[in-house]
Amino acid sequence: NAGVTQTPKFRVLKTGQSMTLLCAQDMNHEYMYWYRQDPGMGLRLIHYSVGEGTTAKGEVPDGYNVSRLKKQNFLLGLESAAPSQTSVYFCASSYGQGVRETQYFGPGTRLLVL
Amino acid sequence: ILNVEQSPQSLHVQEGDSTNFTCSFPSSNFYALHWYRWETAKSPEALFVMTLNGDEKKKGRISATLNTKEGYSYLYIKGSQPEDSATYLCASLWNQGGKLIFGQGTELSVKP
Repeated sequence: NAGVTQTPKFRVLKTGQSMTLLCAQDMNHEYMYWYRQDPGMGLRLIHYSVGEGTTAKGEVPDGYNVSRLKKQNFLLGLESAAPSQTSVYFCASSYGQGVRETQYFGPGTRLLVL
Repeated sequence: ILNVEQSPQSLHVQEGDSTNFTCSFPSSNFYALHWYRWETAKSPEALFVMTLNGDEKKKGRISATLNTKEGYSYLYIKGSQPEDSATYLCASLWNQGGKLIFGQGTELSVKP
């Protein structure tokens, strides 16, 4: 049982390049989330999904797109990377929407945009 | 959007000290308050989920209380150990759809 995994662990991009971050979970969770973590700002929700084929915007969605074609995978895309997107990206998943549902986090992807 | 505040931002204590820190959140439309522990180079891990006013949770030397009427939660660590060094995050559930709004965290450093 691997839990939540993220690919890649680290990436350097040039401004304007595109990339996709992959999140995979093997816990059969319905909900999946993408966060970014910046110094002094905690975790901020980018996009989330409440089930296969669905996505919704979080607090800071601009510049990102997501897709949830399979229940176990949640992809985060950057179409044209900007230095402001330099951050550590965390994926998380949870079983359902109950108020007591905890989120399980992946190990993070460190992205540097030059 | 909810504003969740944590204080202090960082805390340095000696091994054996007891410590506590605060999470403040809007008390209106409250659903749940989560605490996570985040060690350097690892993923955040859930500590507690609290939903009821007056809730108290305990896991080993770590405990938490919740006051939903005034909008705060305290996390206590009794007899801090170096392995308690981590960032402690609280998060308030924005709505019943599972969206958490995180505070900026309290970074705890315990010196032997």
